[in-house]
Amino acid sequence: QQPVQSPQAVILREGEDAVINCSSSKALYSVHWYRQKHGEAPVFLMILLKGGEQKGHDKISASFNEKKQQSSLYLTASQLSYSGTYFCGTELAGADGLTFGKGTHLIIQP
Amino acid sequence: DTGVSQNPRHKITKRGQNVTFRCDPISEHNRLYWYRQTLGQGPEFLTYFQNEAQLEKSRLLSDRFSAERPKGSFSTLEIQRTEQGDSAMYLCASSPRVSSYNEQFFGPGTRLTVL
Repeated sequence: QQPVQSPQAVILREGEDAVINCSSSKALYSVHWYRQKHGEAPVFLMILLKGGEQKGHDKISASFNEKKQQSSLYLTASQLSYSGTYFCGTELAGADGLTFGKGTHLIIQP
Repeated sequence: DTGVSQNPRHKITKRGQNVTFRCDPISEHNRLYWYRQTLGQGPEFLTYFQNEAQLEKSRLLSDRFSAERPKGSFSTLEIQRTEQGDSAMYLCASSPRVSSYNEQFFGPGTRLTVL
């Protein structure tokens, strides 16, 4: 079953923060986050395994709440280059293909 | 550029024709995935290989679709008797599957248009 992402779209000014959420009704093995710009392939951002870990690089981080089967992506001090569509992809135990949400459109304005 | 390459980048065909796409994964990545993406949607999983073995198929993969990965290197995805509903971006991804992690790196995709 497809994970649910929220919000569907966000418009920010450069330097503002954003949070994108991803929730699933199934027990997840891992959550993957990707960013896709128009006409390009999805770009891998990070992967979180069950266990409630939080990961991050630069000003992008994410968390995974195993009890709630929810993951959140945090973008701090957003830059123009952060614009794009963010997808979460969920992985179930024993199944290696990812199931992606419908995406969150992020627009960063100067 | 992730190192995953796909050819052709664009394909226009007439309904009923057969088409074949190729994916070259990052070298030494033992896992290869095929996804389909339509406008405004996230990628949808089709199938995946570990080395040359096809281990999982989505129910989206009708009998008109077939995928191969001979010798565990490049992969091909063939669609027979194409339909207009097959128009989409076909994405390939590869993964090294090291320990518990399954990071998947996507290629640029092949955009199929069925007239």
